[in-house]
Parts: sequence; C-alpha cells; structure tokens
Amino acid sequence: DAGVTQSPTHLIKTRGQQVTLRCSPISGHKSVSWYQQVLGQGPQFIFQYYEKEERGRGNFPDRFSARQFPNYSSELNVNALLLGDSALYLCASSVYVGSYEQYFGPGTRLTVT
Amino acid sequence: AQSVTQLDSQVPVFEEAPVELRCNYSSSVSVYLFWYVQYPNQGLQLLLKYLSGSTLVESINGFEAEFNKSQTSFHLRKPSVHISDTAEYFCAVSDSGGGADGLTFGKGTHLIIQP
Repeated sequence: DAGVTQSPTHLIKTRGQQVTLRCSPISGHKSVSWYQQVLGQGPQFIFQYYEKEERGRGNFPDRFSARQFPNYSSELNVNALLLGDSALYLCASSVYVGSYEQYFGPGTRLTVT
Repeated sequence: AQSVTQLDSQVPVFEEAPVELRCNYSSSVSVYLFWYVQYPNQGLQLLLKYLSGSTLVESINGFEAEFNKSQTSFHLRKPSVHISDTAEYFCAVSDSGGGADGLTFGKGTHLIIQP
C-alpha cells in the first residue's frame, strides 16, 4: 500500500504570496494532521482534521488554513507568506482522531524569498 | 501545556557502542510518549511508543525506551549501534485525552555514528 503522499516536493515563493500544499493519506485513514518543521527544530502542530472537520489547531496565525475533502485528502493554505514561513511542512495520517499511530509523509519544502 | 526537552542536540558514538538519547517532558495531565526517527530528506517514522502497560517498550530494530513517571523521562537506548542508525531522533508527547491537539515534539537529537 502507498504511504502518505505530499505534493509538491519543493516550492519557492515570494513574500506576500499565497501557497497551497496537498496531502493524500494512507488508504483507510480518515484523519490528517499538518506540522511545520523549521530547520533545526522539531515539528510543530498546525491542524488536525477528521471526517472533513477541524478537530484541533495549534498556535498558528489565521494566515494558515486547511481543509479536508470527501476522499480524506487535505490541503494546507498559507496566505501573505513571510520569510519565517520557510520550513518543511509535514502531513501525517491516522485511522481516526485520537489514534496515536500517526504516519508521516516526506514533506513539502517551502522556501520564501 | 506540554513540553519536551531533548538534552543533547548531537550525540557522536562509535559503531557497535551503546547509546542513550535523553528525553524529559512536562505535562499536567497523563501523557503518551513516542520516539520518531528522521533520515535525511525523509519524513518521520515512528520508532516506538508508550501508551500504557509495561514501562519498557522495544522497537524491532533493537532500540528500547523506558517510561519513568517520577523523573518524567523517556530515554531511548540501544546496546550496539550501526552506521545505518545515523539520523535525527525526535521525542514527542501527546495528552491521553483524545489526541486532537497533535503531538508536541522536542528539538531533536542528531545521532552520529563514527566508524
């Protein structure tokens, strides 16, 4: 079975622009979480979605938003990009919210110039 | 709020030597504990987890970790490391109340295996 997939792999954007990152969970997994990993740091929790509803949110500004589709795939949107948004964005899927078996994708490397 | 402290940013060790990666956490509620490994240019892989039961948990590739509630620690150990163990290791915690608030990670420990 395919693991968690994310697209694109790399992305370069300019300050002030908007970006959309995509994630497809493992087949049968209904929950998707997003994390931001700044270079040299551990991942930080952004959102968790389950059954198309937001179930948890980390300490990130409103410029960050996400949604989950009927096929359980998810998009993360970031508006008005700042240099500090440069990071590896990781998507994780699990069978349901509260399931501690989270499987991570390879991430999308976002560079903001 | 929860936090995780990984006391060493880098741990160099010779091949076939033992290693311990330290992790301490703070939380006002019951927690679940995890170790993840990240190889270069890859995502995170779950190495092992403590949810309940025996405080000593083991992975299939020889790592083990022990949950110590009184010391709020979850140190990772391996009796004999290999070159292939070179990676970044992250300790993480989640409250046991439902998991919707995601995992809280430490800053990571870079394990460097020297031949």
